[in-house]
Amino acid sequence: EAQVTQNPRYLITVTGKKLTVTCSQNMNHEYMSWYRQDPGLGLRQIYYSMNVEVTDKGDVPEGYKVSRKEKRNFPLILESPSPNQTSLYFCASSPADLAFGNTEAFFGQGTRLTVV
Amino acid sequence: GQQLNQSPQSMFIQEGEDVSMNCTSSSIFNTWLWYKQDPGEGPVLLIALYKAGELTSNGRLTAQFGITRKDSFLNISASIPSDVGIYFCAGRRTGGFKTIFGAGTRLFVKA
Repeated sequence: EAQVTQNPRYLITVTGKKLTVTCSQNMNHEYMSWYRQDPGLGLRQIYYSMNVEVTDKGDVPEGYKVSRKEKRNFPLILESPSPNQTSLYFCASSPADLAFGNTEAFFGQGTRLTVV
Repeated sequence: GQQLNQSPQSMFIQEGEDVSMNCTSSSIFNTWLWYKQDPGEGPVLLIALYKAGELTSNGRLTAQFGITRKDSFLNISASIPSDVGIYFCAGRRTGGFKTIFGAGTRLFVKA
């Protein structure tokens, strides 16, 4: 089954404790991206990746890091989480073809992160 | 910051009614996307638009890419209870790969 898988689905952590949210897709997609969703603000793009070793900042990259060492994985790293990073996070992927044009065609189920 | 204005914020309608929502921007976009999000799930892509003036349907859903490239609308005909959810527009500007989302339209359908 074609899917984007995020782990964990839920996480409560303390300020300053480094964490990684994993994202994996099994569709051989070139394009992957990370979003955070906050009430009233919709989804805001954190980082995106056009392919292996190619990443770029979205609208709200501060406090986050990403890496794309393999095509299928795009982990989101919070080196020193703070309470304002409490949010619902989504990973998305898409093929780099004319049908989708590197847009967010498939989303994961989300990771709800709470930083206390 | 947020650059897409999506309206209305919420809608309460009766089953069977048609629904219309739209997104506007002060910037030109070369791609418009419409998503639906159910509670506890990630957004699901409904319709993608790549050309100014394009009108695309997906079942009871119809979306259009505005001629000015600064707006898009989504229509849902003959709404049913399972249409309940949050609908998001999203756009991508010419020459860029960043995607901007609207704040969403929350749709409630009364049976």
